[in-house]
Amino acid sequence: EAAVTQSPRNKVAVTGGKVTLSCNQTNNHNNMYWYRQDTGHGLRLIHYSYGAGSTEKGDIPDGYKASRPSQENFSLILELATPSQTSVYFCASGDARGQAPLFGEGTRLSVL
Amino acid sequence: QQKVQQSPESLIVPEGGMASLNCTSSDRNVDYFWWYRQHSGKSPKMLMSIFSNGEKEEGRFTVHLNKASLHTSLHIRDSQPSDSALYLCAATNYGNEKITFGAGTKLTIKP
Repeated sequence: EAAVTQSPRNKVAVTGGKVTLSCNQTNNHNNMYWYRQDTGHGLRLIHYSYGAGSTEKGDIPDGYKASRPSQENFSLILELATPSQTSVYFCASGDARGQAPLFGEGTRLSVL
Repeated sequence: QQKVQQSPESLIVPEGGMASLNCTSSDRNVDYFWWYRQHSGKSPKMLMSIFSNGEKEEGRFTVHLNKASLHTSLHIRDSQPSDSALYLCAATNYGNEKITFGAGTKLTIKP
């Protein structure tokens, strides 16, 4: 069964600290995405990837880095976390054009 | 960059009624549209997809697409309380895999 798994599910971080959010997919999909969701903004694209070794900037990449070391794994890195990055983060994977991305269960991040 | 606009922001419909949600892309190169449903505290789940002009029906759900006006709409008939959720419209363009979402319509079905 297709699956996208995010870890951790909840995270509390301190301002200025480094945070890494992880995503694993067992679907053998080429494309992976990181979105954040805030009330009133829907889902906003941070970074995406076409495959292992590739990362592309989305619409709101500032303050975030991404890493795709393998087909299965895609990480989102906050080098210096700020309170404005408090949000719910969703990872998704997709393959052929026209295929709707499949989402993970989300990570709730609070930066204090 | 492509923008996806959804309307209305929120909608209250009586149980058994018809809900109509709208979505428009700002980009003439829009290729695919999807509608997702997200229940409170859950992740988005794809509900309907449409790629060609016209209409597509699946049970109580109907989606329309007019590519000339870059507009899609989702209609839910015989609405049920379980349909209460955030409905998100997503679109992608020819030539890239970037998928853009709108801000969503919060639908509430009143028993």
